[in-house]
Amino acid sequence: DVVMTQSPLSLPVTLGQPASISCRSSQSLVYSDGNTYLNWFQQRPGQSPRRLVNKVSNRDSGVPDKFSGSGSGTDFTLKISRVEAEDVGVYYCMQGTHWPPYTFGQGTKLEIK
Amino acid sequence: EVQLVESGGGLVQPGGSLRLSCAASGFTFNNYWMSWVRQAPGQGPEWVANIKQDGSEKYSVDSVKGRFTISRDNAKKSLYLQMNSLRAEDTAIYYCARGRNMEVWGQGTTVTVSS
Repeated sequence: DVVMTQSPLSLPVTLGQPASISCRSSQSLVYSDGNTYLNWFQQRPGQSPRRLVNKVSNRDSGVPDKFSGSGSGTDFTLKISRVEAEDVGVYYCMQGTHWPPYTFGQGTKLEIK
Repeated sequence: EVQLVESGGGLVQPGGSLRLSCAASGFTFNNYWMSWVRQAPGQGPEWVANIKQDGSEKYSVDSVKGRFTISRDNAKKSLYLQMNSLRAEDTAIYYCARGRNMEVWGQGTTVTVSS
């Protein structure tokens, strides 16, 4: 199974400042069709996960452009340009290339400093 | 509006069974793979199983093989998860999600396995 490793696990951020979350996979996530199926999810307190980004850098519908995904191969990053109070929650990366099974990172808990 | 509504969770004794349902609306259900994902208390999500549009392909995580069965009824726009031989470690919120890369999730239904 592909292991997804996120860092940091805890991320205190001052309002209005940027934030960055790293995700590394134990093997390349490039699929035979040329796509890289790396997704990012946000889970606000008490809510279901919500997908923010698919295929490394494509924002899902309705996701603010302050969220951006980047990376390739085994190294990926989710950036928030300016953190707001509504961004508090846990962020997960998930690979959809080498399935089954799909695998998630451990999660990064973003809090306001 | 795309909506997924899970039901069927509850408290069950170890070794017992439950059948979860997920009612879909706001999209063409039979165009999509569908998944079940669970989240144990204080833990991250764990993919459980998925099923192809016509039900011809099904996959599941090793820990539930032989115990859980995913199915769907496209006429009823519904997804199901039959869970047998339940264990304490199956305690979690169970979500249904649309697509092979889980682009939309329901609100979840809670399953508690305890004596």
